[in-house]
Amino acid sequence: EAGVAQSPRYKIIEKRQSVAFWCNPISGHATLYWYQQILGQGPKLLIQFQNNGVVDDSQLPKDRFSAERLKGVDSTLKIQPAKLEDSAVYLCASSALGRAEQFFGPGTRLTVL
Amino acid sequence: SQQGEEDPQALSIQEGENATMNCSYKTSINNLQWYRQNSGRGLVHLILIRSNEREKHSGRLRVTLDTSKKSSSLLITASRAADTASYFCATATSGTYKYIFGTGTRLKVLA
Repeated sequence: EAGVAQSPRYKIIEKRQSVAFWCNPISGHATLYWYQQILGQGPKLLIQFQNNGVVDDSQLPKDRFSAERLKGVDSTLKIQPAKLEDSAVYLCASSALGRAEQFFGPGTRLTVL
Repeated sequence: SQQGEEDPQALSIQEGENATMNCSYKTSINNLQWYRQNSGRGLVHLILIRSNEREKHSGRLRVTLDTSKKSSSLLITASRAADTASYFCATATSGTYKYIFGTGTRLKVLA
């Protein structure tokens, strides 16, 4: 079974630029999560989808971050414009409907200069 | 906000020794999960313990849960160099599916 795929693995941008991350969850997984992990901290949930509907986005900075999950499969997370404090690893995870176990992708390491 | 707080923040032991790390949380939960993260990688699920369970085993892992104290512990027996990683607990407040991860324990196993 293929795992959660993310791209790119690394991205370096300057502040005020925009960036987008892509995630392909495990086939059949209804729930998809985007997390932000700042160095030395635990992952912080940004947004959670169930199929193509948003379950929770209470910690998503909506003035600059947006996410979508078209057709309930792949998802993209966008930051526009980026700030220095957005430097972090962005993790995508998925889980089967009703299951707690989450499967994580390798993450995208974002550096904002 | 952090729901789980792991303790200690960092732990260094010799290969073959046991490693114990603790997690404290704030609200009533349905279950608690432990994850491992190797440097530069995503998280890997280790074990889930439900709120009506007190202890669970998986290979060299033993997890306990004390809901009265709102705490859990993860014991890794006979540690190996490959166990070197960060370990996180994750909890969701009862009635929700929003998991909050703790701050993590960085374990280093010396060969």
